[in-house]
Amino acid sequence: DVKVTQSSRYLVKRTGEKVFLECVQDMDHENMFWYRQDPGLGLRLIYFSYDVKMKEKGDIPEGYSVSREKKERFSLILESASTNQTSMYLCASSLFTRLGGYTFGSGTRLTVV
Amino acid sequence: KQEVTQIPAALSVPEGENLVLNCSFTDSAIYNLQWFRQDPGKGLTSLLLIQSSQREQTSGRLNASLDKSSGRSTLYIAASQPGDSATYLCAVSKQGGSEKLVFGKGMKLTVNP
Repeated sequence: DVKVTQSSRYLVKRTGEKVFLECVQDMDHENMFWYRQDPGLGLRLIYFSYDVKMKEKGDIPEGYSVSREKKERFSLILESASTNQTSMYLCASSLFTRLGGYTFGSGTRLTVV
Repeated sequence: KQEVTQIPAALSVPEGENLVLNCSFTDSAIYNLQWFRQDPGKGLTSLLLIQSSQREQTSGRLNASLDKSSGRSTLYIAASQPGDSATYLCAVSKQGGSEKLVFGKGMKLTVNP
């Protein structure tokens, strides 16, 4: 069964901490994505990557960075966590051709206190 | 800019009803459309994927249709059950190489026993 795995279901971090959210997929997908989901705002794209070491900004990249050193792993980094980054974070992947659609992970609920 | 709308935002029905969930999008130049289900606090589970060249897809009690020219998709749920209670989201992927998914804000469905 193909999977996108997010390393943590729940995280609590302090303001100012550097936070790493990890995502691994086992489908040999080229594209990987990070979204955040907030009540009333829906899902918003933070960053995506279409190849190793390649990245593109999404709609709300401010305060975030990403790393993709290997094809199967895409990391989201909060350089200095703030309370307005408290949210549900969702990772997804797809083939470059997008045939087969997008597969999502189970999400990481991050609380910044 | 592509916008995806799902109306109503919430629906409560008795068990056994046949349901139609609506999704509309403003730009008909889509590559595919995907319906997802999200349980509270969880990630997104893909239900059905419709390529732009297709009219409908079926999986068990679920049937999704796509009318690209009018910018509409419907998700039909037959003989609804309490286990169908969840938030349903539709998302479209644009033609022309943009990998980004644009989501509606979802419809929260409650099926009462």
